[in-house]
Amino acid sequence: QSVLTQPPSVSAAPGQKVTISCSASTRNIDKTYFSWYQQVPGTAPRLLIYDNNKRPAGIPDRFSGSWTVTSATLGITGLQTGDEADYYCGIWVDSLNSWVFGGGTKVTVL
Amino acid sequence: EVQLYQSGAEVRKPGESLKISCKASGYLFTNYWVGWVRQKPGKGLEWMGIIYPSDSDTRYSPSFQGQVTISVDKSLRTAYLQWNSLKASDTAMYYCARFDGTPGSLNFFHPWGQGTLVTVSS
Repeated sequence: QSVLTQPPSVSAAPGQKVTISCSASTRNIDKTYFSWYQQVPGTAPRLLIYDNNKRPAGIPDRFSGSWTVTSATLGITGLQTGDEADYYCGIWVDSLNSWVFGGGTKVTVL
Repeated sequence: EVQLYQSGAEVRKPGESLKISCKASGYLFTNYWVGWVRQKPGKGLEWMGIIYPSDSDTRYSPSFQGQVTISVDKSLRTAYLQWNSLKASDTAMYYCARFDGTPGSLNFFHPWGQGTLVTVSS
C-alpha cells in the first residue's frame, strides 16, 4: 500500500476548477506538512504549495492547498491549457525516516 | 537567485561507474540539505536521498541504500550522485533539489535542478 495515494488523472474544461486529493496512510503520517509539485511535460518539477497551503513567490493564487490530519488537496481554479501537467504531493514521514511522493496525477484540460 | 545546475546527459554501459553533479548558487550551501530524485521514463518521482553539506549527514531511501552514493564538496558548492556499477534499470532522469528544513520538520524541495538524463545501454 502506497503511503500517499493520488488519483491517476483529473480533467476539466478551460476556466473550470479541478481538485486533486492526496490521501495518507494514517499509521505512517506523524506531522502534516504537505507540499505539491507541478511537472509540465519535458521540464523539471517545480514547487507549487508548501506547508499545506502556502505559495512560493511567483505561483498564482489560482493554485491553493488545504489539508486535514491525514490528507491534502490541491485546487486549481480558472483552468488554463498551460496547467496541463503532472502534479505530485509529498511529505516527510518520520516513522520511515524518508521523504515520500504520491504517485502523481495527470491534469488534462479538455 | 537560488539555482541548482546539473551536469549534462550521460551514456554508459552496464557495469560502468558514473558520478553526476549538482552545483548550487545564490544561497549559503552549507545551511540547506540537498536531495536527489529519480524519474524513470513515463513514471513518477522517486526520492533517493538527501545530504546536509555542513557535515555530510546523509539519509537514503531504503530503495536506494547501497545502490548509490550521495556526497558533497563544500568548497565547490556541489552535490554528487554516484554509481559503482550501473544497470540498465538505472536509465532515468535524475533531479537534484534544495531540501528546506530539518528532516521531519516543515520540509519541501525548492528549487529544482534542470535534470540529468542517464542512459545505460549495451
